Amino acid sequence: AQSVSQHNHHVILSEAASLELGCNYSYGGTVNLFWYVQYPGQHLQLLLKYFSGDPLVKGIKGFEAEFIKSKFSFNLRKPSVQWSDTAEYFCAVNTGTASKLTFGTGTRLQVTL
Amino acid sequence: DGGITQSPKYLFRKEGQNVTLSCEQNLNHDAMYWYRQDPGQGLRLIYYSQIVNDFQKGDIAEGYSVSREKKESFPLTVTSAQKNPTAFYLCASNFLGQPQHFGDGTRLSIL
Repeated sequence: AQSVSQHNHHVILSEAASLELGCNYSYGGTVNLFWYVQYPGQHLQLLLKYFSGDPLVKGIKGFEAEFIKSKFSFNLRKPSVQWSDTAEYFCAVNTGTASKLTFGTGTRLQVTL
Repeated sequence: DGGITQSPKYLFRKEGQNVTLSCEQNLNHDAMYWYRQDPGQGLRLIYYSQIVNDFQKGDIAEGYSVSREKKESFPLTVTSAQKNPTAFYLCASNFLGQPQHFGDGTRLSIL
């Protein structure tokens, strides 16, 4: 069974600091990769996705992620965080044509002014 | 507006009682999903359905049941057999092969 690991459980950054959140998955075949964000009191929203092609994908609100197949990783990055980025971030994977997602345990990001 | 509607937003269950959480979508999505979210554990899949009148168990199906009689509806019943039902429940839907869209969730608590 596939699994997804997010090693950073709680990250605290000052505004304008750079962000990198780790995501590693265990499946060796074809994968689709996602980052979702859950702002306080809101529903889960898609930040970005990787299906194929350019391994560097850009999402909403200045976020990007890089798929490194050899490292089974899909880390999320943002050069300069804002207070409004305070949220919980989830990495998720599905394999091939399967529709169900496997989620990581999430990373809570707190951005201070 | 198209979207996923979960109701109620908050639900309380007495010991030994079954409760049903509603999920309706008007996105014409084929597939629907139920997840349970607990602090520090992320989202775990309870049940999913790719077509009407068919559904599959997810990773933590014990103590739960679902039905998919209509394309737009996928209700989840939390039965008395679920010993630790207190959690945040999320419903999602998608066209197969596309990202999932999520509802606002139902928070279930035990009285």
